[in-house]
Amino acid sequence: QVQLQESGPGLVKPSETLSLTCTVSGGSISSYHWSWIRQPPGKGLEWIGYIFYSGSTNYNSSLKSRVTISVDMSKNQFSLKLSSVTAADTAIYYCAKLRAMTMPRGVIPQYFDPWGRGTLVTVTS
Amino acid sequence: SYELTQPPSVSVSPGQTARITCSGDVLPNQYAYWYQQRPGQAPVLVISKDSERPSGIPERFSGSSSGTTVTLTISGVQAEDEADYYCQSADGSGTYFVFGTGTKVTVL
Repeated sequence: QVQLQESGPGLVKPSETLSLTCTVSGGSISSYHWSWIRQPPGKGLEWIGYIFYSGSTNYNSSLKSRVTISVDMSKNQFSLKLSSVTAADTAIYYCAKLRAMTMPRGVIPQYFDPWGRGTLVTVTS
Repeated sequence: SYELTQPPSVSVSPGQTARITCSGDVLPNQYAYWYQQRPGQAPVLVISKDSERPSGIPERFSGSSSGTTVTLTISGVQAEDEADYYCQSADGSGTYFVFGTGTKVTVL
């Protein structure tokens, strides 16, 4: 059973870069898609982006200019960097395995399972 | 842009049936997925591909789809089902993902 664990600073200053790492255990990061999702306190879920183990990425257009997701296969980890943060970026950040399904158009990423427990990042001076 | 709309809240007595709707223009052409998020916990997948129940999810959880609306039904609601529920879908090429606005289920 794959398990995911987020790690990184819980406090980030405005205008700085938020950096988080997700460590995958119980399975290899190879051959799969991996994603970041966030949830502001008391609010809903927002997809941030995903990375395929090969390194190809896709980002939410609303965050694309500030987001970088990378993968380190030697450590079975993938990471998130979000630059120029503001208070609006305060949220619980989750990493998740992005499951793909075979469909008429090919193998298409579809849903998130499982998720990490999440880590709260607060942007404050 | 893709949007999925859910009612903010649903209240139900124990043993009764809760129905949560999710509406969006993408739904006639793309699958919907449902997640349960208990307070202080990460979301958990409870329905896949509109109506499939993953292993380990109780039989009282079911899903259905009709046109631009998908529905999560919880039959015989239990106190432990009190949680936030989110629908989710993707674009046709799997390059963009959207979550519904979320529904808080309260067990009276």
